[in-house]
Amino acid sequence: RKEVEQDPGPFNVPEGATVAFNCTYSNSASQSFFWYRQDCRKEPKLLMSVYSSGNEDGRFTAQLNRASQYISLLIRDSKLSDSATYLCVVNANTGGFKTIFGAGTRLFVKA
Amino acid sequence: DTEVTQTPKHLVMGMTNKKSLKCEQHMGHRAMYWYKQKAKKPPELMFVYSYEKLSINESVPSRFSPECPNSSLLNLHLHALQPEDSALYLCASSPQGPTRNTIYFGEGSWLTVV
Repeated sequence: RKEVEQDPGPFNVPEGATVAFNCTYSNSASQSFFWYRQDCRKEPKLLMSVYSSGNEDGRFTAQLNRASQYISLLIRDSKLSDSATYLCVVNANTGGFKTIFGAGTRLFVKA
Repeated sequence: DTEVTQTPKHLVMGMTNKKSLKCEQHMGHRAMYWYKQKAKKPPELMFVYSYEKLSINESVPSRFSPECPNSSLLNLHLHALQPEDSALYLCASSPQGPTRNTIYFGEGSWLTVV
């Protein structure tokens, strides 16, 4: 089993749609969680950190369920500019840190 | 714009060449990283420097040699690379150790080995 698993994608959605990405992690000692966005041929950029209480930034909402070891990202009212790869990232300190990236989920938003 | 700067942005090198990738950050971050990313794959961790000391080497071949001259600089020395080493090399930094801190990436150096 991969340490961080994401929906394989790609997701193809029309503008204005709501889209949800899911991510699971296997290491219960994981300490911090993030969603990154990566555009084609660009570096990954932090989209948002993920907290157990859930957090929202405009059209983006992230949730963490530690009991289920599950992370989600919800994008409402999708824009063309949301088209990118979304990477789930988990940091775990298991006697030595590890930052683990999921394989990423590609999103295409179409007019 | 990213505050982690990498040079060069593009590098083409032969298998017998010696070259270096350079990375600089002035955010006062104490942890710096090298990642390798192949097309349609997530970044793969290569090395971590924490407080200027190498803390993680993810079993990277010795043809890749990292160096951290000071807390702001990170180099990756390349020697006798193979064509399969062609990839995007990403430098990153975080305030302290990475266990809770956000990692910030540079724009990357595109490496082609011919």
